[in-house]
Amino acid sequence: DVKVTQSSRYLVKRTGEKVFLECVQDMDHENMFWYRQDPGLGLRLIYFSYDVKMKEKGDIPEGYSVSREKKERFSLILESASTNQTSMYLCASTRGLAGLNNEQFFGPGTRLTVL
Amino acid sequence: RKEVEQDPGPFNVPEGATVAFNCTYSNSASQSFFWYRQDCRKEPKLLMSVYSSGNEDGRFTAQLNRASQYISLLIRDSKLSDSATYLCVVNRGSGGSNYKLTFGKGTLLTVNP
Repeated sequence: DVKVTQSSRYLVKRTGEKVFLECVQDMDHENMFWYRQDPGLGLRLIYFSYDVKMKEKGDIPEGYSVSREKKERFSLILESASTNQTSMYLCASTRGLAGLNNEQFFGPGTRLTVL
Repeated sequence: RKEVEQDPGPFNVPEGATVAFNCTYSNSASQSFFWYRQDCRKEPKLLMSVYSSGNEDGRFTAQLNRASQYISLLIRDSKLSDSATYLCVVNRGSGGSNYKLTFGKGTLLTVNP
């Protein structure tokens, strides 16, 4: 079974703090993604990575950065957390191209609250 | 038209009912289509891919109409365990966009005893 794990289920941070969200997958998937999910807005893509050290902006990259130093690990960084970044953050991974009917496997999510 | 638009719901149906969800997408270059299911406070999980010829998996039937850019999901003989949010998902097209999926906002289904 594919397993995608995220470092925390719940996180509370203060405005201006630097926040690291970690994601690890154990199936040697090439592609990894970070989404945020908000009520009424659905899932929105923040960043994705299609290879080690490769990254590409998604739809809402502002205020975020990412790091992929190893194939199994994809980190999302909030350089200076703000209250509008309070959200559920979901990591996902997939083998090959999403366009070839390859399933995206999601982690359990991190609910981040920024005070 | 929004990229992926679903019935807003919520749907409340009795056990045993048949329920249909509809979804439209705006990008004619999209090549792959999916239905994901998300239980309350859980992550989304793939329910089924949707193929041009239509496909069935037990009580679930998915249909795709490329000309109308329309996708549907039919659930027959609803069970209590079918209660969840159903997400219509579409890839963004060819080349580099193949990596990216667009998720609909989801339709909440509650199956009542």
